[in-house]
Formats: sequence, C-alpha cells, structure tokens
Amino acid sequence: GENVEQHPSTLSVQEGDSAVIKCTYSDSASNYFPWYKQELGKGPQLIIDIRSNVGEKKDQRIAVTLNKTAKHFSLHITETQPEDSAVYFCAATKGNTGNQFYFGTGTSLTVIP
Amino acid sequence: DAGITQSPRHKVTETGTPVTLRCHQTENHRYMYWYRQDPGHGLRLIHYSYGVKDTDKGEVSDGYSVSRSKTEDFLLTLESATSSQTSVYFCAISRVPGYNEQFFGPGTRLTVL
Repeated sequence: GENVEQHPSTLSVQEGDSAVIKCTYSDSASNYFPWYKQELGKGPQLIIDIRSNVGEKKDQRIAVTLNKTAKHFSLHITETQPEDSAVYFCAATKGNTGNQFYFGTGTSLTVIP
Repeated sequence: DAGITQSPRHKVTETGTPVTLRCHQTENHRYMYWYRQDPGHGLRLIHYSYGVKDTDKGEVSDGYSVSRSKTEDFLLTLESATSSQTSVYFCAISRVPGYNEQFFGPGTRLTVL
C-alpha cells in the first residue's frame, strides 16, 4: 500500500513568520493530496487539497505545492497567527473504490505570539 | 463537523467486553469510514462502507467488525476489546470516491483497561 512520511513532527515559529510542512508518498498512482488541521479534542478538518494535475494551489495564507516527479508535496502557511497552532496531517489517495486515504503521522505547529 | 455525530464520545471498558461505537450522518453521503488515531501513527483506516450493507476492510481491520443497515448510520464493533484497541476513533464521510474530500466527526475516546 501507500506510505506517507511527514516532516517535521514538531514545528515552532514566531507569529508572522512562515511555516512549511513536507510530505512524501511512495505510490506514483496517488492523485489526490488533502491537508487536515486538527485542534485539540476535535476531528481533523480539511484546509486545502491538491490534485495531481495541478502543481500549486493557494487559499489566502495557505498554499500547497506538489512535485509528482519527486513524489512530495508541501503545506505553506504565511503570516502565521496563534490560531494556526494545531496538528496538521497530510494524506494521499489513489481515489479508487473506497477512496482509502493514507495519512502522515502529523506535525504539531506552535505559533509563538 | 459536517453533520456527523459520534456516540459515545468517551468510553472506558474492560478487556474482553464487547463495545459498539456509532457514527450518524445527516449529509446523505454514500461513503463512510472508521479510522483510529494513535500517537506516532496518524490516522489509519479500519473499515469503510460504500453503501447500505456494503463494507470492506482497511489496513487495520483485525479485531473489528462493522455494519451499515441505513445510509445514515455506521457501527463499529469490537467483539472482545483488548488494551491495544485503546485509541481515539474517528468516523468520516465522503460523497463519492476519487477526487473527493472526507469530512470527519468529533471522535470517540476509548480506553480499554
């Protein structure tokens, strides 16, 4: 099956700085890559996603880039704010029957005011 | 949480007892999933359903069974709970497979003593 690796496991940044989280995947057939944000005691919430036919996608302060050749994708958060503090998960899927997602192990982001 | 409820939200039980967790959705989505979340492992798929009475295994299905008798309800059963099944369990829903996001419920924290 698919293997998704995520780095770093913890990340601390000063408010206003940028944060970058990286993921690699093993199955070249994967074609959909969502990012989830999980706050303490809550379920993961989708914040942005990218499909394999796109190299970059932005939504305000959040962007995701995808390099299919190298099989890695990254989450970029600019102008970080304290409310960005959470655990972030990447995932990959081939989108076949069942749409099984394979998740990274998570990055705990702390934004220091 | 996208019209998804999970019950109970917290449960403590003893080794060897049966446990059933319930996921209820009001979105009329066809696909439903059960994940477990453990430190260092991210989220891992236990079972999923692609329609009423249609289910399949995920990557960590041993020791678990599921049932779906109505579109809105997906049950996860631990026939004889073990300490290794202590975890946080999340239900997710999706309209269709392929390029389609999954929405997560609030989770159930299960402790097996």
